[in-house]
Amino acid sequence: DVKVTQSSRYLVKRTGEKVFLECVQDMDHENMFWYRQDPGLGLRLIYFSYDVKMKEKGDIPEGYSVSREKKERFSLILESASTNQTSMYLCVTSGSTYEQYFGPGTRLTVT
Amino acid sequence: GDSVTQMEGPVTLSEEAFLTINCTYTATGYPSLFWYVQYPGEGLQLLLKATKADDKGSNKGFEATYRKETTSFHLEKGSVQVSDSAVYFCALSHRGSQGNLIFGKGTKLSVKP
Repeated sequence: DVKVTQSSRYLVKRTGEKVFLECVQDMDHENMFWYRQDPGLGLRLIYFSYDVKMKEKGDIPEGYSVSREKKERFSLILESASTNQTSMYLCVTSGSTYEQYFGPGTRLTVT
Repeated sequence: GDSVTQMEGPVTLSEEAFLTINCTYTATGYPSLFWYVQYPGEGLQLLLKATKADDKGSNKGFEATYRKETTSFHLEKGSVQVSDSAVYFCALSHRGSQGNLIFGKGTKLSVKP
């Protein structure tokens, strides 16, 4: 069974903290994506990666960075969390058929 | 750039009513089109998809037809149920984008008994 896991379902951090969101997949997929979901704005692409050590900016990369040291793991990093980064973060993967698989999401609150 | 526009909600219907949620897109070439559903407290699930013009995607009584001439992919269901209450997202993806999805803003549907 396909599995995309995210390290936390709920996370509360303080302004200025460094935050790591982890995504792990067991499908040997090349492509991994980080989106954030906000009411009335839908899902917006932050960063994506189509190979180990490769990364590309999405539509809203400001304030974020990513790391892909291993094929199965794609990390989203908030260098200095701010309140406007309070959101639901979704990890998505896809393989050679480009069918997408979603993780359960991490609801991050920055206070 | 590519974009997806879907009707704004919320949409409130009575049980057994007919549902249409409009979705139009702007894209070069021939994208694949998707409808995703998010039930309260859950993650996104693929509801249906169509990969080429005139394809009809269907699942759980929902249907959508890929209309290239009108760049549309409207979601329809003949008779909604309370359990269909959810947020629905229209999305597109290009072959050359490694599966990158571009989403509409979502339409919240509430079905009353």
